[in-house]
Amino acid sequence: SAVISQKPSRDICQRGTSLTIQCQVDSQVTMMFWYRQQPGQSLTLIATANQGSEATYESGFVIDKFPISRPNLTFSTLTVSNMSPEDSSIYLCSVRRGVQETQYFGPGTRLLVL
Amino acid sequence: QKEVEQNSGPLSVPEGAIASLNCTYSDRGSQSFFWYRQYSGKSPELIMSIYSNGDKEDGRFTAQLNKASQYVSLLIRDSQPSDSATYLCAVEGFAYSGAGSYQLTFGKGTKLSVIP
Repeated sequence: SAVISQKPSRDICQRGTSLTIQCQVDSQVTMMFWYRQQPGQSLTLIATANQGSEATYESGFVIDKFPISRPNLTFSTLTVSNMSPEDSSIYLCSVRRGVQETQYFGPGTRLLVL
Repeated sequence: QKEVEQNSGPLSVPEGAIASLNCTYSDRGSQSFFWYRQYSGKSPELIMSIYSNGDKEDGRFTAQLNKASQYVSLLIRDSQPSDSATYLCAVEGFAYSGAGSYQLTFGKGTKLSVIP
């Protein structure tokens, strides 16, 4: 398995502000993934972060709204910019590990935008 | 668009019974299948993976895969109240958009309640 930590674990923010979420993994990984889980919904992939290159965003997500950094093989950040109440969600960092590239999730960041 | 369908539940079973969770998927090229358990307020935790047709057992959990029917299931024997959670089915397939790599598509999850 993988040991993944995220900071902050939760936050309450005002609309129009931005929040940066940090993800730290216990050992080097090639790809890190950022997911969103809105209330009562399943997980939706926001983007894939590779070290040394721009993150790749899924349909419906753009870099201006969700800028991502990946400065090394154990760390990534996701920023939720110009927040609105619709951004209230759980944001999850995820990595693949092991021979069969099993995917593991961090504890999540619970965001409430007022 | 790749889809993974699950009965949202809630599924209620008495303690000690067998809980049966089902999942169907649309992408016939999918090769890897996973079940995650998610307790309320927590992140998903991998409990089973299955890659070939048939059954795979791990303790009280059995995953079943039928690629011809595009169907995967999870059986939980001797259900315990601690099994009460939402169970997410995830299917791995190649995504030509976005990162152009293998990605997981999740179902919406089935909420299981085990009644003492």
